[in-house]
Amino acid sequence: DAGVIQSPRHEVTEMGQEVTLRCKLISGHNSLFWYRQTMMRGLELLIYFNNNVPIDDSGMPEDRFSAKMPNASFSTLKIQPSEPRDSAVYFCASSDQGGSTDTQYFGPGTRLTVL
Amino acid sequence: RKEVEQDPGPFNVPEGATVAFNCTYSNSASQSFFWYRQDCRKEPKLLMSVYSSGNEDGRFTAQLNRASQYISLLIRDSKLSDSATYLCVVNSPAGFQKLVFGTGTRLLVSP
Repeated sequence: DAGVIQSPRHEVTEMGQEVTLRCKLISGHNSLFWYRQTMMRGLELLIYFNNNVPIDDSGMPEDRFSAKMPNASFSTLKIQPSEPRDSAVYFCASSDQGGSTDTQYFGPGTRLTVL
Repeated sequence: RKEVEQDPGPFNVPEGATVAFNCTYSNSASQSFFWYRQDCRKEPKLLMSVYSSGNEDGRFTAQLNRASQYISLLIRDSKLSDSATYLCVVNSPAGFQKLVFGTGTRLLVSP
């Protein structure tokens, strides 16, 4: 079975540009989590969706960040405009909340560099 | 105070050694505990869940002390392939499986 798929794997952009990160959940999972990882702050939860509905977005840094889940298997995280301090690795994870196990499975991540 | 605190290491040990990591958490209402492993430039992967009674998976043993709010991971007979960062993870009671990750303990196993 395919795991969580993220694209692009690497993104280099200039300050002020729009960045869109994409994530495809594991088939049959109903929950999606977007995380950001930096050396200084570790892994931080940005937003959590359950059954396509945003449940907790308290970790979204500011209005420049937005996330959508247009269908049950796909999500985007958008940063507009991007800033150098947004440079980090962005992971999405999926799980089957309420299933036999709610282990979170992580995608390979998108390494974002904002110049 | 961070919700989950770990010694960042690195822990440098020779092959075959036994090594232990501890982690403390601040939310006494937390109910679920995990150790994740993260290899360099890779995603975190679940290593094992941590149960109140303690649990063992091969060379790995996890323990939970609720009274003192700490979690431990013991690795016996270390292998070169055990070199990684080990993330202590605790759920934050928020009505869903919100996980709070420690910043990780780095382990380097040398020949």
